[in-house]
Amino acid sequence: KAGVTQTPRYLIKTRGQQVTLSCSPISGHRSVSWYQQTPGQGLQFLFEYFSETQRNKGNFPGRFSGRQFSNSRSEMNVSTLELGDSALYLCASSLSEGEYEQYFGPGTRLTVT
Amino acid sequence: DQQVKQNSPSLSVQEGRISILNCDYTNSMFDYFLWYKKYPAEGPTFLISISSIKDKNEDGRFTVFLNKSAKHLSLHIVPSQPGDSAVYFCAASRSGAQKLVFGQGTRLTINP
Repeated sequence: KAGVTQTPRYLIKTRGQQVTLSCSPISGHRSVSWYQQTPGQGLQFLFEYFSETQRNKGNFPGRFSGRQFSNSRSEMNVSTLELGDSALYLCASSLSEGEYEQYFGPGTRLTVT
Repeated sequence: DQQVKQNSPSLSVQEGRISILNCDYTNSMFDYFLWYKKYPAEGPTFLISISSIKDKNEDGRFTVFLNKSAKHLSLHIVPSQPGDSAVYFCAASRSGAQKLVFGQGTRLTINP
């Protein structure tokens, strides 16, 4: 069974631009969560989607948004990029809502210049 | 407010010996704990977990111990192997909240 896939793996953007990252969960997994990893803040929860609905949201500004499609694939969008948004963005999937064990993709490394 | 803390940023252990990684938490609502291992340029890989109704869970060379009264958990790796060199993250969650709260990670280096 294929793992969680994320595209693109690397991305360079300029301040003020917007970016969309994509995540395909493990086949059969219906819940997708997004995390941001930075050297200073570690791994921080962004949001979680299940059945195309956002179920939980972390403490991030409204510039960060996401969505989930009927096939459980998910995208996250960051608008008006800031230098501090440079990070590794990780997607994790689990079988269903409320499953503790989450399986992570390789991440998308975003660099904002 | 760091609800999950891994106070040792790094740990160096000789091959064949026991590696012990520690994690403390402050939120008594957490009822499930997980350990992840992360190599550079890869996402975290799930290792082992434990529910708050248990105090020990074992899987091969990996054992996790939970001390609820002290709000402390530890991961034991016996025997340590060079391939265990990675960053280890402790994470916690609570019923009804899908999100995982992570510690800052401990970089484990296994020396031959």
